[in-house]
Amino acid sequence: QQQVKQSPQSLIVQKGGISIINCAYENTAFDYFPWYQQFPGKGPALLIAIRPDVSEKKEGRFTISFNKSAKQFSLHIMDSQPGDSATYFCAASIIGFQKLVFGTGTRLLVSP
Amino acid sequence: GAVVSQHPSRVICKSGTSVKIECRSLDFQATTMFWYRQFPKQSLMLMATSNEGSKATYEQGVEKDKFLINHASLTLSTLTVTSAHPEDSSFYICSATSRDRGLQPQHFGDGTRLSIL
Repeated sequence: QQQVKQSPQSLIVQKGGISIINCAYENTAFDYFPWYQQFPGKGPALLIAIRPDVSEKKEGRFTISFNKSAKQFSLHIMDSQPGDSATYFCAASIIGFQKLVFGTGTRLLVSP
Repeated sequence: GAVVSQHPSRVICKSGTSVKIECRSLDFQATTMFWYRQFPKQSLMLMATSNEGSKATYEQGVEKDKFLINHASLTLSTLTVTSAHPEDSSFYICSATSRDRGLQPQHFGDGTRLSIL
């Protein structure tokens, strides 16, 4: 029940295309859903996060879509650029508690 | 934004030695710090949660005598890998947050690549 399932494992997108990464969770107590971006040899960096009281949040080219009834959320990267090539992790937590439950990660490659 | 500094970024040492990794929050008081381990092409695995001034809470399967964690101040936590062996080679990452921020988001350091020969 603590798992967060992430797909796809890897993704290749052409420059200018839309990258879509999906996550699903089971624990309905989760109320905080961040996405992290990690480059090789670096720590994860917070990209964008959403609470379940909204269905969508957009920051620049990055959008989180959230479906509470389906217990799913996804990251959309619009106009994908080669510089977006990285590993992306979704995560879930309960505000006020400590642990983040991470997805398994998606390796994104944006081809020039 | 919040900055977390981790040192060293890379360490290579002989089997049997102990290695200390530092994690500092540079611009906020970190009441809680987390230590993760990451194997190549895998997700982050939480090792322990460290609250300032109290003993760390270790995840199941993590040897507390092997991985010593100290969180003596609101800006510094250390992880010491004692009597390190080749199987301890990994990428260790810390993160920090504050109760004032509802314990989220976690801000991560840039990790320490530990190689045991």
